[in-house]
Amino acid sequence: AQSVTQPDIHITVSEGASLELRCNYSYGATPYLFWYVQSPGQGLQLLLKYFSGDTLVQGIKGFEAEFKRSQSSFNLRKPSVHWSDAAEYFCAVGAPLGTASKLTFGTGTRLQVTL
Amino acid sequence: AAGVIQSPRHLIKEKRETATLKCYPIPRHDTVYWYQQGPGQDPQFLISFYEKMQSDKGSIPDRFSAQQFSDYHSELNMSSLELGDSALYFCASSLSFYEQYFGPGTRLTVT
Repeated sequence: AQSVTQPDIHITVSEGASLELRCNYSYGATPYLFWYVQSPGQGLQLLLKYFSGDTLVQGIKGFEAEFKRSQSSFNLRKPSVHWSDAAEYFCAVGAPLGTASKLTFGTGTRLQVTL
Repeated sequence: AAGVIQSPRHLIKEKRETATLKCYPIPRHDTVYWYQQGPGQDPQFLISFYEKMQSDKGSIPDRFSAQQFSDYHSELNMSSLELGDSALYFCASSLSFYEQYFGPGTRLTVT
């Protein structure tokens, strides 16, 4: 069964500092990996995705993530955090299941940004 | 760009009542997914439809049912509501492989 682990429940960074959110996955074949961001009471916005190819993927809002098969990781990074980045971040893995692939989410990391 | 539309955005029901949530996917998307997100939890997959056929079922209670119509919109029907059904219900749609776009959600409160 597929699973996702986000070891950090809560992270606080200063505005302008760099950010790395950790994500480890478990899946038997080539995973399809995603990062979503959710502001309080809002929907989930897709930040970036990895299907295949280049292991460093660029997303929206200046985010990037690196797929490392040997470490079963897909960590999210941003070089300089803005106060508006404060939100909940979910890593997710998708797997083939018939013709529609469900997503399995991690428990999320809440990012707080101090000014 | 058009996004996934969900209605209503907020819904308050009493125990044992029924509720119907609606989802309108992004135009040309052929797959719809439903997720439930409890307070402080991650989203949990409920059910999905591809080309109007149920594709997969997750942790969906027997009290819930869903379908996708000919215009690709989907409805989630929930009966005999319980307090524990209070949650955010998300619909997502996709066309390409696994790239799901989520709607803003329907917040259901059962009193």
